[in-house]
Amino acid sequence: NAGVMQNPRHLVRRRGQEARLRCSPMKGHSHVYWYRQLPEEGLKFMVYLQKENIIDESGMPKERFSAEFPKEGPSILRIQQVVRGDSAAYFCASSPQGIGGNQPQHFGDGTRLSIL
Amino acid sequence: TQLLEQSPQFLSIQEGENLTVYCNSSSVFSSLQWYRQEPGEGPVLLVTVVTGGEVKKLKRLTFQFGDARKDSSLHITAAQPGDTGLYLCAGAGNYGQNFVFGPGTRLSVLP
Repeated sequence: NAGVMQNPRHLVRRRGQEARLRCSPMKGHSHVYWYRQLPEEGLKFMVYLQKENIIDESGMPKERFSAEFPKEGPSILRIQQVVRGDSAAYFCASSPQGIGGNQPQHFGDGTRLSIL
Repeated sequence: TQLLEQSPQFLSIQEGENLTVYCNSSSVFSSLQWYRQEPGEGPVLLVTVVTGGEVKKLKRLTFQFGDARKDSSLHITAAQPGDTGLYLCAGAGNYGQNFVFGPGTRLSVLP
């Protein structure tokens, strides 16, 4: 009965490198959401994907950030040329249907990204 | 842009006390969810409220959705140290595809 799995749990990168964060949704869930959380703050929506499609990317910076959810395999959040300000906890959530159905989101335990 | 405010930001109480935390907005939400998050972990869903005026109970926790679907409250009776955590509310807009999260209330229950 695996929940949402995120890896790695901790990721350290130097400025200018690339960071790839992975999220495997719960079995049967085809909707994935990525959020970013800074210390002592709530979660900020980044992007909502359904298998092979980006539904809403309004919260994701236009440059350096990209996300995908391929037909096979986990969802990937990629950050290119990382800067210190990218340091945060990144959470992934999944649901069996989209938000319009008031479906609960199930969260993973996050990836903590630290930029040196 | 839909925004959610939560109050208080921090709350420290003794075991056995009652408390209420609030989630407010000037916008109408089609539904609202409450989550609890512990350090180093992801948020865990506590409840979803959908209908204006709805009240839901989960053991010692009582959730209420405002009549106008702009605000919500969480009341905890006889708080226990295990209730310690960050309580987040999240609203789904009528037309949006994503959830908006409030900044959270950080609750500490002392034994």
